[in-house]
Amino acid sequence: AIRLAQSPSSFSASPGDRVTFTCRASQPVSSFLAWYQQKAGKAPKLLIYAASSLQSGVPSRFSGSKSGTEFTLTISGLQSEDFATYYCQQYYTYPWTFGQGTQVEIK
Amino acid sequence: EVQLLESGGGLVQPGGSLRLSCAASGFSLSSHAMSWVRQAPGRGLEWVSAIYKTESSTYYEDSVKGRFTISRDSSKNTLFLDMNSLRAEDTAIYYCVKGIMGGPGAFETWGPGTTVTVSS
Repeated sequence: AIRLAQSPSSFSASPGDRVTFTCRASQPVSSFLAWYQQKAGKAPKLLIYAASSLQSGVPSRFSGSKSGTEFTLTISGLQSEDFATYYCQQYYTYPWTFGQGTQVEIK
Repeated sequence: EVQLLESGGGLVQPGGSLRLSCAASGFSLSSHAMSWVRQAPGRGLEWVSAIYKTESSTYYEDSVKGRFTISRDSSKNTLFLDMNSLRAEDTAIYYCVKGIMGGPGAFETWGPGTTVTVSS
C-alpha cells in the first residue's frame, strides 16, 4: 500500500499566519491526491482534489500544489475556523490511503 | 441538497455481524461511486471499501477482504456494508461517502457517521 507521510504532525499558529503542510507519498500517485479538514466530533470536509483543484464552496485562502511525490496544502491567512486536523489522501491505486494527519492549534 | 445518513451501528461481540446502511438523498446512488471510510477512536481515517456504478466493481481494504461486503439497493437509494467476523480492531466510526465525478476516490460528501463497537 502507498504510504503518505504528513509533516508536521502538529503545530501552533496564530490567526493571520500563512501555513503550509506537507504530504509525501512513498510511490508516485500522479495528481490523485486530496486534502480534508476535520474538526473535533465532525465528519471530514473535502478541501482540495486532484492535488490543486479547490472544492466548490471552499474559501480561496486554501490552495494545493504538487512537486513529484511531495504535495503541499497552504492556508493564506489562517482564520479561527481553520484550527482543525488536516489529512491528505491518495486515490491513485487501491487501497486508497490517508496520511496520519496534521493538527493545527491556536498559538 | 445532497445528504447521506448512516445507521446500523452498535455494540457487537467479537466474531459477530452487523449491517450498516446509508440512506442517500438529493442524488442517485447508482450514478456515483460510493465508499465507506472509518475512524478508530482517537485515530486517523481509513478507507474501507468502494463500489462503482456497476456493482461488479467493488474494492476492499486488505484487512476487511472476505469479511465485509459493500452493496446498494438502487430502488431504496441506500448503500450497505455487511460486516462479518468482527474484530476489536474494527471498532470505529463508519462514514458513508460520495466520490466526486471523475475522481471517485475524492470524497465530497460525508454522512455524520455511525459508531461500531466490537467488544465482549
